[in-house]
Amino acid sequence: QQPVQSPQAVILREGEDAVINCSSSKALYSVHWYRQKHGEAPVFLMILLKGGEQKGHEKISASFNEKKQQSSLYLTASQLSYSGTYFCGTGPSTFNAGGTSYGKLTFGQGTILTVHP
Amino acid sequence: GAGVSQSPRYKVAKRGQDVALRCDPISGHVSLFWYQQALGQGPEFLTYFQNEAQLDKSGLPSDRFFAERPEGSVSTLKIQRTQQEDSAVYLCASSLMEQGWPRSPLHFGNGTRLTVT
Repeated sequence: QQPVQSPQAVILREGEDAVINCSSSKALYSVHWYRQKHGEAPVFLMILLKGGEQKGHEKISASFNEKKQQSSLYLTASQLSYSGTYFCGTGPSTFNAGGTSYGKLTFGQGTILTVHP
Repeated sequence: GAGVSQSPRYKVAKRGQDVALRCDPISGHVSLFWYQQALGQGPEFLTYFQNEAQLDKSGLPSDRFFAERPEGSVSTLKIQRTQQEDSAVYLCASSLMEQGWPRSPLHFGNGTRLTVT
């Protein structure tokens, strides 16, 4: 089931902060965050794992609340380059097929972030 | 090095035509995903390869969709007898899976925008 992101859109001035939320009705084991600019590929930002492990960019932070099945992405002191659509992708634990482990992400509908000068 | 390369960048097909979309992943990446992205939506999972093995095709919408990765590198997504509802951006993503799932980020291509008229 698709995770739900909020808000759907945010408009900021440079230097302002924003929080983007991602909620799932299913138990979460991992959350990936990606940013996509118009007509371009989604770009990896952050991975959060059950248990608190994180991996990602230094200038972007995020939280992962396993009990609430939620993740939040924190964008501080926004820059013009932050503009784009942010997607969270949620994953279950690994699947197994023929002895091989893998996983797949289910993405939210996206949050459009616009930063003005 | 080079990122994930997809071709063609744009494809216009008349309803009923067959199309083939190509994905050239980052060299050495064992995992390859195909996603479909409708306008204003998040990517939706289509299929997954680990090397040449197609481990998951649960997201393919119908038997008109077929994907292959015969030598474990380049992948082709084929859509037979295209319909208007097939119009979307088709994204390919690869991952080295160097830290296993779900610690390894996905690297997306710019996608192929398919328009069926």
